[in-house]
Order: sequence, then C-alpha cells, then structure tokens
Amino acid sequence: DIQMTQSPSTLSASVGDRVTITCRASQSISSWLAWYQQKPGKAPKLLIYKASSLESGVPSRFSGSGSGTEFTLTISSLQPDDFATYYCQQYNSYSWTFGQGTKVKI
Amino acid sequence: EVQLSESGGGLVQPGGSLRLSCAASGFTFSSNVMSWVRQAPGKGLEWVSGISGNGGSTFYADSVKGRFTMSRDNSKSMLYLQMNSLRAEDTAVYYCAKHIKWLDDPFDIWGQGTMVTVSS
Repeated sequence: DIQMTQSPSTLSASVGDRVTITCRASQSISSWLAWYQQKPGKAPKLLIYKASSLESGVPSRFSGSGSGTEFTLTISSLQPDDFATYYCQQYNSYSWTFGQGTKVKI
Repeated sequence: EVQLSESGGGLVQPGGSLRLSCAASGFTFSSNVMSWVRQAPGKGLEWVSGISGNGGSTFYADSVKGRFTMSRDNSKSMLYLQMNSLRAEDTAVYYCAKHIKWLDDPFDIWGQGTMVTVSS
C-alpha cells in the first residue's frame, strides 16, 4: 500500500496567518491527491482534488500544489472557520489511503 | 440535494456481526462508485471498502478482507456493509462516501456516519 505522511501533526496559528501543510507519498502518485477538512463530530469535506483543483464552493484562500511524492495545502489567510483537522488522501491505486491528519489550532 | 445517510451501527460483542446500510438520494446512484471509510475514536481516516457502480467489482482494505462484504442495491439506491468476525479494533464511526464518479476519483459527498462499538 502507498503510505501518506503529513507534517506537521499539529499547527498553532492565528487568524490572518498563511498556513502550509505538507503531505508526502511513499511512491509517486502523479497528481492523484485530495485534501479534506474535518471538524469535530462532522464528516470530512473535500477541498482540493487532483492536487490543485478547487472543489466547487470552497473558498479561494485554499490552494494545493505538488506532484509525484510531495504535495502542499496552503491557506493564504486563516479564518476562524478554518480551525479544523486536514487530511490528504491518495487515489492513485485501488487502495485509497489517508495521511494521519494535521490539526490546525489557535 | 445530494445526501447519504448511514444506519445500522451499535454495540456488538467480539466475534459478532453487524450490517450497515447507507441510503442515497439526489443523484444517479447506479452511476457512481461508492466506498466505506471509518474513523476510530480520536484517530484518522481509514478507507475500508469500495464498489463499482454496477456492483460487479469490490475492493477491500487488508484489515477487513475476508470479514467484511460490501454490496449495493441500485433499484433502492442503497449501499451495504456486512461485517462479520468483528474485533475491538473495528470500533469506529463508519461513513459511506460517494466518489466524484469513477474509482480513481476522491470522495465528494459523505454521510453523517454511524458508530460501531465492538466490546464485551
């Protein structure tokens, strides 16, 4: 299975900060990477797919980049609603795997 | 509105069985690949199983292969997960999730989840 490793595991930030989360794959996944946001007690929400494509309805302050084995999720100006846990997910093979998550907190 | 709604969770003893259901609405169910994803308390997300639109192909994580069976009834827009030989480590919230379209797509719609607790 392809392993996904996110860093950092926890991130402390303030409203207005630029935030970057990194996700590394154990082998090349081309651009078959998605990012999700999850708030406590809620289902995950798709933010980014194909590494850099913004899902409909997601604010433009979210962006994704990367290909191969290294990817980033950037929030250009952190808003109060963005404090949550973020997961990357590879869908290159028919055994979809997630990163361990990055909790963004104040 | 596109919606998924899981049911069937509960408390079950180790070695027992449980069948989860997921009711879909607001989209052409038979055209979409579907998956189950679980989340143990306080932990991350783990993909469990996936099924093609016509139900002809199924995929399982190694952790559940041989114990769980995923199926669908397109006439009822229903998805199922039959879980046998349950273990404590299967305790989790189980989400059904819709792929954008195909197997090689991420999940764009998720249900609210149903809790499964395996304990004596």
